[in-house]
Amino acid sequence: DAKTTQPPSMDCAEGRAANLPCNHSTISGNEYVYWYRQIHSQGPQYIIHGLKNNETNEMASLIITEDRKSSTLILPHATLRDTAVYYCIVTTYKLSFGAGTTVTVRA
Amino acid sequence: DVKVTQSSRYLVKRTGEKVFLECVQDMDHENMFWYRQDPGLGLRLIYFSYDVKMKEKGDIPEGYSVSREKKERFSLILESTSTNQTSMYLCASSFSALEQVSLSNQPQHFGDGTRLSIL
Repeated sequence: DAKTTQPPSMDCAEGRAANLPCNHSTISGNEYVYWYRQIHSQGPQYIIHGLKNNETNEMASLIITEDRKSSTLILPHATLRDTAVYYCIVTTYKLSFGAGTTVTVRA
Repeated sequence: DVKVTQSSRYLVKRTGEKVFLECVQDMDHENMFWYRQDPGLGLRLIYFSYDVKMKEKGDIPEGYSVSREKKERFSLILESTSTNQTSMYLCASSFSALEQVSLSNQPQHFGDGTRLSIL
C-alpha cells in the first residue's frame, strides 16, 4: 500500500472549517483514499473514502486532486467533539495507520 | 448504524495463558478483521476472514489463530501468550462482494477495542 504524509498536528476554532491535508504521491490506480479518526480510548471511526472523484457525506468532504497524489479532508463546521487523531490511508483493503494528524478544536 | 462489539474492554492475563478475544457484528457483513494497535507501530493486520470458515493471514499472524464458525462472530485466539502481545486489539467488519479486489470500496467499521495486558 502507498505511504501517506500528514502534518503531525493542527488547531482549529470551533465553528470554523478544518482542512486536513494528506500527500500520497505513490498511490496506485486501484487504491482508494480513506479517512478515519480515533478519539482517545475508542476504536477508529470511519469518515469518508474516495477513488478519484470528490465525495461528501454527513460528516465531511473529501477533495482528491486530479493526479490523485494528494487529498484534503474538510470538516465543514468543527465542534469540540471533532478533537481526535485523523488518519489518511491509501489502500486496496488492508488498513495501516501511521501517526496521523492530531486535531484540536478550541472553543 | 453498524455495531461491532468486542467482548472485553480490558483484560489482564499471565504469560503462557490461552486467551480468546471475541467480536460480533450485527450488519451481516461478509468480511471481518483483527488488528493490533501499538504506539509507534500504528495499526497492523493480524488476520481477516471473507466468509464463514475462511481466513487469510495478515501482516503479523505469528502467535495468533482465528475462528469464524458463524458469519457474525470472529474470534482471535492467543494460544500461549507472551508479554510482546500486550496491545490494543481491534476488530472490524465490512460488507463485500466475493473477490478480494472489491474489498477496497467497502469501509471497515471498528469495535472499541480490547486492551490486553500480559504480565
